[in-house]
Amino acid sequence: GAVVSQHPSRVICKSGTSVKIECRSLDFQATTMFWYRQFPKQSLMLMATSNEGSKATYEQGVEKDKFLINHASLTLSTLTVTSAHPEDSSFYICSAADSRGSNEQFFGPGTRLTVL
Amino acid sequence: GENVEQHPSTLSVQEGDSAVIKCTYSDSASNYFPWYKQELGKRPQLIIDIRSNVGEKKDQRIAVTLNKTAKHFSLHITETQPEDSAVYFCAASIGQAGTALIFGKGTTLSVSS
Repeated sequence: GAVVSQHPSRVICKSGTSVKIECRSLDFQATTMFWYRQFPKQSLMLMATSNEGSKATYEQGVEKDKFLINHASLTLSTLTVTSAHPEDSSFYICSAADSRGSNEQFFGPGTRLTVL
Repeated sequence: GENVEQHPSTLSVQEGDSAVIKCTYSDSASNYFPWYKQELGKRPQLIIDIRSNVGEKKDQRIAVTLNKTAKHFSLHITETQPEDSAVYFCAASIGQAGTALIFGKGTTLSVSS
């Protein structure tokens, strides 16, 4: 199957700083990628849909000025958590669908963010 | 928008027994329904999926059924093994396959030997 990578896998930062997470499709092009957040022992919650070359679409309750998404190429989407606070600590996972194939979504390995 | 309900939240079975997890969805436009297995700290792994033009799909010990009219879909695991123990999530596409997924709250399956 197609491969999606994420970097970094784990990050610890101080409150008030910004953190950038990268999501890459390694062997296919993805015009659309998705960002999810997962708190401990909870489900994956869709945060936003990242569209190559245009603005991201955010789900209700997700602040677009706090979670900046950039999808500058067909293989890379970035999520920047700005002015991070302890309540932003979570597991962030991206996914992408390979439109050439079955439309199955392929998930990145996730990024564990801890804000002190 | 789409809403996915999943039951039960926890399920304990003996090795060799069957396990069934059920989900319902609200958006009749959804046409793709994957099931994922997630181990602690790892990404979700697709175990089986079904599209709305199919009523049932089977892959060895795992099967999924879909009732579009009732907006129900279920995961069936037969001959469970201890390594099946994990959290399982159902999901439904927001509209067409290839779009974002809305996940159920998850089922923690424990298989004891």
